[in-house]
Amino acid sequence: QVQLVESGGGLVKPGGSLRLSCAASGFTFSDYYMSWIRQAPGKGLEWVSYISSSGSTIYYADSVKGRFTISRDNAKKSLNLQMNSLRAEDTAVYYCAGLVAVAVGYWGQGTLVTVSS
Amino acid sequence: QSALTQPASVSGSPGQSITISCTGTSSDVGAYNYVSWYQQHPGKAPKLMIYDVSNRPSGVSNRFSGSKSGNTASLTISGLQAEDEADYYCISYTSSSTPWVFGGGTKLTVL
Repeated sequence: QVQLVESGGGLVKPGGSLRLSCAASGFTFSDYYMSWIRQAPGKGLEWVSYISSSGSTIYYADSVKGRFTISRDNAKKSLNLQMNSLRAEDTAVYYCAGLVAVAVGYWGQGTLVTVSS
Repeated sequence: QSALTQPASVSGSPGQSITISCTGTSSDVGAYNYVSWYQQHPGKAPKLMIYDVSNRPSGVSNRFSGSKSGNTASLTISGLQAEDEADYYCISYTSSSTPWVFGGGTKLTVL
């Protein structure tokens, strides 16, 4: 069955960096657009970034543009999110997500990122 | 402030039907048949319930249905059950600078 397993979350100070990873299995990873979606504590969902199946097309939310970088390794079936210059407002559970057509068909269990001094 | 407007909360009794609305604009909900709905229980990841306005993924109960009229999409849950109590989010494709817009979420309480 489809599995997306995130890792790399944790506590980081404002201005610091963190790299999230997502290991995919159970589907042909290289065929799917992938995304990172986050949810601040007690808040709604917020789209962060997405990357096309080949990696040639990338979008970022305005709130993270210039600070976050999404990448993928189709050979290793992995999705990554490099997060720099972290701010308190980046505190959230970050979900790795697989896009099925124009919907988010696959979700990971999420990894918590806490930005605090 | 979310781009798509959902009611903060709705409630219903077991066996009843409820409808959650998701209002956007002519650049998102009104322009594309790419509205999807997600159910999220506390502490869990969201789950896709409806895609492309009215299609159900395999395994989703037929008590869940979706529709759209103009700039407003709707999720209807019939025959409410206790396990339907959760947060529900809508997402729409959009022609704006970012590909998707999200609703703020609706908390469904089963009385």
